Order: sequence, then structure tokens, then C-alpha cells
Amino acid sequence: AQTVTQSQPEMSVQEAETVTLSCTYDTSESDYYLFWYKQPPSRQMILVIRQEAYKQQNATENRFSVNFQKAAKSFSLKISDSQLGDAAMYFCAYRRSGGGADGLTFGKGTHLIIQP
Amino acid sequence: DAGITQSPRHKVTETGTPVTLRCHQTENHRYMYWYRQDPGHGLRLIHYSYGVKDTDKGEVSDGYSVSRSKTEDFLLTLESATSSQTSVYFCATRLTGTSGNTIYFGEGSWLTVV
Repeated sequence: AQTVTQSQPEMSVQEAETVTLSCTYDTSESDYYLFWYKQPPSRQMILVIRQEAYKQQNATENRFSVNFQKAAKSFSLKISDSQLGDAAMYFCAYRRSGGGADGLTFGKGTHLIIQP
Repeated sequence: DAGITQSPRHKVTETGTPVTLRCHQTENHRYMYWYRQDPGHGLRLIHYSYGVKDTDKGEVSDGYSVSRSKTEDFLLTLESATSSQTSVYFCATRLTGTSGNTIYFGEGSWLTVV
């Protein structure tokens, strides 16, 4: 079974600084997808960024980028120029590739605090 | 936005009573999921559906049943609610095929069992 581990229950960063959230996963599959979801206090689940395992290039979405290390099974999220609105729970998630019904396997989350 | 509506959004119920949560989607997504979210556990899959009347168990299915009689509706039922089922429940949907790489979430249903 796949597992996703987020080793940082809580992180704190000064506004405008850069922060990196860690995620490792375990799978025997060679093709899969990795995601970072943001959950603000409203509890809405917002997709931040997605990475396809067969792509070597790291995904980037504006101030958010990932460092995907397939051999190490590591998928960290870097947030540049942190803003107060970035404060939230961040979840790393995994899904096997293919058209099947597989759902997401989530890590336990990292609570990101932005210090003004 | 995948047009997912969950109802009720908030509910308080007593131990031993049946509870049904409804998920309604407007995008004709084939796959639908129910997750629960608890502190320290992230989101865990309860049940999922891969078509009308086609459902299967997830990681934490004990005490829950589901039904999908129409593409757009996926119901989660707690036959006899227990305090351990106090949680936030999320419905999610996904397109079929490799184009359906993204899973979309509803806004959550807060259930308190007293």
C-alpha cells in the first residue's frame, strides 16, 4: 500500500520569506501523480500544484514550486515570497496513474504559519 | 470548480441514529469519493464509486455504507452513528481516463455525534 509522510506538523515563516514543506512517499509503482493541496480555515481543499512522475521537470505555479526527486521518493513544496494568505494546512497526496478509480492517499498535513 | 454540493453542511445527531450525507455533482464525473478528516490523520478514504451502482470500500469503511443510483448523486450513510464518527466529511469527484488527473473536493460536511 502507498503511504505518504509529512514529517513537519507545523512550520512558521516570516512574511515575504521562502519556506519549504517536506513530503516523502512510498510506492512500488513507476507512474503516478503527486499533489499539494492547501486547506485554509474554511476547510476548502484547494489544489496548489500537481506533478506527474514521468515528467522530470519540476512543476511550478506562480510562487509555488516543487522539488521532485523520484529516486528518493521525495516531493517538497517551496513557497516563495510568503504571503499572509498562504497560512493554511498543506497536504501532500499521491495517486497511482491510469484511468482507474483510485483515490488519493494523503499525508497528515503541515500547518503553515505566516508571521507578519 | 467541479460543481460539487454537499448536504447537510452541518449536522448534530445522537448516538445510535442513522445519518445520510449527500453529495451532488453537476459535471458528470464518473468517479466519486467520500473522505473523512480528523486531527492528526489527514484525509482518509471511506468509500468510492466508479459508476452507477458500482462502489467499493476504502481505508476506513467500517460503520459506513454508500449508494449511487444516479451519476450525479453519491450518498454516505451511517446506519447507527457513534461518537467516533464525529468528523468532517468530504465528497470528491474525478473525470475518467488519464485526463482526469485532478480530484475535486466539495466544501465538507461537519458531523457531530453526541
